[in-house]
Amino acid sequence: ETAVFQTPNYHVTQVGNEVSFNCKQTLGHDTMYWYKQDSKKLLKIMFSYNNKQLIVNETVPRRFSPQSSDKAHLNLRIKSVEPEDSAVYLCASSTQTNTGQLYFGEGSKLTVL
Amino acid sequence: TQTVSQSDAHVTVFEGDSVELRCNYSYGGSIYLSWYIQHHGRGLQFLLKYYSGNPVVQGVNGFKAEFSKSDSSFHLRKASVHWSDSAVYFCAVSGTQVVGQLTFGRGTRLQVYA
Repeated sequence: ETAVFQTPNYHVTQVGNEVSFNCKQTLGHDTMYWYKQDSKKLLKIMFSYNNKQLIVNETVPRRFSPQSSDKAHLNLRIKSVEPEDSAVYLCASSTQTNTGQLYFGEGSKLTVL
Repeated sequence: TQTVSQSDAHVTVFEGDSVELRCNYSYGGSIYLSWYIQHHGRGLQFLLKYYSGNPVVQGVNGFKAEFSKSDSSFHLRKASVHWSDSAVYFCAVSGTQVVGQLTFGRGTRLQVYA
């Protein structure tokens, strides 16, 4: 069953627009993540966040930013999208003590025209 | 720097066959190794993980994996596959210092024919 919920599932937009993806987890986990999956299925960590620490992958462009209101929510904002941002964005969560076992959402597919 | 290598991009088998999906890693410290499955158009689902202890770990749906320190490997196996096992399988490694930041392999697409 799904316990990490992402919206929207699909989004098509033009270069330069702003986009936000929402993520909510109902597992009571204390850590959440955003991963990017490109057209070749390659997965890369973008951000990890808990109530103590935000860790940003150094390769992530500054136009990307995570936004969290509480430990159950971690949204992803892209300020001005570029064509190379077209990908599937996967949200995940885990407990701090259960490293290696992440629970993923269904993904949000972004297409930038 | 940690790396994960999945040498087979595609594996094709028939229902009832056994299968082995290969994963090799490189990392200098203590690590967690895990496998995930991704069906078409879906998110990733956790299958199993290893950190220490018995090098053979059992996962869901009859999958198991064996850790080998000497070979730097963590291969995934299933004795008898079903057509519903058709998916992309990802091997992943994470260090113990940064929680949950997984480094994934490129994935192996398993196609099971009925």
